[in-house]
Amino acid sequence: ETGVTQSPTHLIKTRGQQVTLRCSSQSGHNTVSWYQQALGQGPQFIFQYYREEENGRGNFPPRFSGLQFPNYSSELNVNALELDDSALYLCASSSARDTPFATNEKLFFGSGTQLSVL
Amino acid sequence: AQKITQTQPGMFVQEKEAVTLDCTYDTSDQSYGLFWYKQPSSGEMIFLIYQGSYDEQNATEGRYSLNFQKARKSANLVISASQLGDSAMYFCAMREGQGETGANNLFFGTGTRLTVIP
Repeated sequence: ETGVTQSPTHLIKTRGQQVTLRCSSQSGHNTVSWYQQALGQGPQFIFQYYREEENGRGNFPPRFSGLQFPNYSSELNVNALELDDSALYLCASSSARDTPFATNEKLFFGSGTQLSVL
Repeated sequence: AQKITQTQPGMFVQEKEAVTLDCTYDTSDQSYGLFWYKQPSSGEMIFLIYQGSYDEQNATEGRYSLNFQKARKSANLVISASQLGDSAMYFCAMREGQGETGANNLFFGTGTRLTVIP
C-alpha cells in the first residue's frame, strides 16, 4: 500500500510568484485535504476535495486554489505569493464514503512541502 | 476562541518513564472526535489515537492511552514506557460533527515538543 506522497519536498519562491504543489493520495483514498503549518504552529485547514470538487474551505483567500484529478491526486496552487505564505504544506487523504466525514475518520498525511517565500 | 489548547510548549521525560501531554478543547457540538498525531522532524503527521465524544471507555493503542474527561473538556495523551524514538512534536486535534467550513476538518492545537532523555 502506497502512502501519501507530496512533491516537491522543498521550494523557494520570491514574493509575487505563483507555485503549484502536488499530492498523490494513499491507494484507495478518494478525499484530499490541504493544511498549512506555519513555523511553531499546528496545521491549519485550507480546503478539501471530494470527488473532484472542493467541499469545504478554511479561512484562506481565493489566491489559494486547488484541483483534484480522476485518480484522486491533487494540486494546491498559490498565486501572488506573500512572505507569510512561507510554511510547511501538508496533504492528507482519507477514504470517506460520504461527506461530511464521520467524526472518527482518520486522515493520513504526507511529509509535506516546505515552501519558502523570499 | 481556540478550539484546541495545548499549554505545554515542551516536555522532557526520562526513557522508560510515563508522560502526560495536556489537551483541552472547546466545542458546543455533542458529537465530536479527538485525535492525537505525532510529527517527527520528517514532517509527516502520524496518527496515534482517537477518542469519540460518546465513547465511555478511554481509548488505548499500545503504549498510548487517552485520558478523556468530558466534563472538563480535556483529552490528555499518556505515553507509557517512553522510548528515544518518541521524541517529536505531538498535536491534539478535534473534528466536530457539524463542520462550520463545510468539510468538518480537523482543528489542531499548537503542539507539544516531547524530548526523551536517555
